[in-house]
Amino acid sequence: GAVVSQHPSWVICKSGTSVKIECRSLDFQATTMFWYRQFPKQSLMLMATSNEGSKATYEQGVEKDKFLINHASLTLSTLTVTSAHPEDSSFYICSARLLAGVGTQYFGPGTRLLVL
Amino acid sequence: KQEVTQIPAALSVPEGENLVLNCSFTDSAIYNLQWFRQDPGKGLTSLLLIQSSQREQTSGRLNASLDKSSGRSTLYIAASQPGDSATYLCAVRPEDQKLVFGQGTRLTINP
Repeated sequence: GAVVSQHPSWVICKSGTSVKIECRSLDFQATTMFWYRQFPKQSLMLMATSNEGSKATYEQGVEKDKFLINHASLTLSTLTVTSAHPEDSSFYICSARLLAGVGTQYFGPGTRLLVL
Repeated sequence: KQEVTQIPAALSVPEGENLVLNCSFTDSAIYNLQWFRQDPGKGLTSLLLIQSSQREQTSGRLNASLDKSSGRSTLYIAASQPGDSATYLCAVRPEDQKLVFGQGTRLTINP
């Protein structure tokens, strides 16, 4: 089946630093990738949708200057948390859609971010 | 606005039992519905996807049904095993193509 990878799986950083998370579709091309955030014992919250070669579409309440998304190729999207603060600590999960439109979404293993 | 509700929020059963997880959604205009499994601290694993034109899908001991008109889906797990312990998430894809997730059911299978 289709595989989505994320790197790193764990990151601890100091407050004020920026952190970049990579999401790759390993064996398929993804025209659309999604970034989610998940707090403990809660469901996934969609942060933004990114289409290859164009600007990401952010959900209401998500700061686009805080969470920079780049989707430079059909197999790679990156999320950069700029000037991270402790409240940004969370589990970030990316997802890639196999086909345009209503194809199945495959999810990465997640990246746990802890900001001290 | 589409809303997805999963009942119960948590379920604990002895090994070997058959069980049903429920998912309901408020807007029947969906493209498909997907059931996922999430282990603690891990990402999501897709279990079953049911297109809007389908009534059910089966994979091994798992069977998912979809009744679009009533806004309901069930995930049936046969002969449960301790390895089935996880959080099960239901998600629907409405016409704007963004998955809407339920809160999940935390399942514990006791040996």
